[in-house]
Amino acid sequence: DSGVTQTPKHLITATGQRVTLRCSPRSGDLSVYWYQQSLDQGLQFLIQYYNGEERAKGNILERFSAQQFPDLHSELNLSSLELGDSALYFCASSVGLLSGANVLTFGAGSRLTVL
Amino acid sequence: AQTVTQSQPEMSVQEAETVTLSCTYDTSESDYYLFWYKQPPSRQMILVIRQEAYKQQNATENRFSVNFQKAAKSFSLKISDSQLGDAAMYFCAVNAGGTSYGKLTFGQGTILTVHP
Repeated sequence: DSGVTQTPKHLITATGQRVTLRCSPRSGDLSVYWYQQSLDQGLQFLIQYYNGEERAKGNILERFSAQQFPDLHSELNLSSLELGDSALYFCASSVGLLSGANVLTFGAGSRLTVL
Repeated sequence: AQTVTQSQPEMSVQEAETVTLSCTYDTSESDYYLFWYKQPPSRQMILVIRQEAYKQQNATENRFSVNFQKAAKSFSLKISDSQLGDAAMYFCAVNAGGTSYGKLTFGQGTILTVHP
């Protein structure tokens, strides 16, 4: 157990629907990161939050949004889902900003299947 | 922006032997960090080893060591005395400073098979 908790582990939904993925970071970690892993795109950085504020943005679609709450848990919202959104979505956390002094700890991922 | 290239989609090794996984990267930042992550069939991403670019000494973690060639922008992973539990997908990643700080860029991964 890495200490980063992601729910749900698996999710099957239909095109056009909306889902929310939830992440609880490791105790004491202030930064939360979201990554998408798909067969064709590999591991892609989506977005980072640090202590409630958006800190860095990657290849996140406009249909996707995220936030980090005061208790530091984070949610990734995916809307108007398409077949291509099927992927493994990882949450990771770190104590502060990512550097060599503190590294990312990953959750087990949420497997999203869009039918 | 940074890029990471892993040129070996698949590698195999006999148990107890040594294997080296290749990685090259590109970044315009002078301050950056390099990582190797392992993803076993459980899908969990596990940190194997990390290297600060400003350190000339190659990092070592038990049976895992790196060969960091900064000028060549090469960061290979050597696994000694391979074990069945080392079988996994291995990802090389770079985190550069500046405006990219906070973003890990991953390579496409290398699938490592360990034969008994």
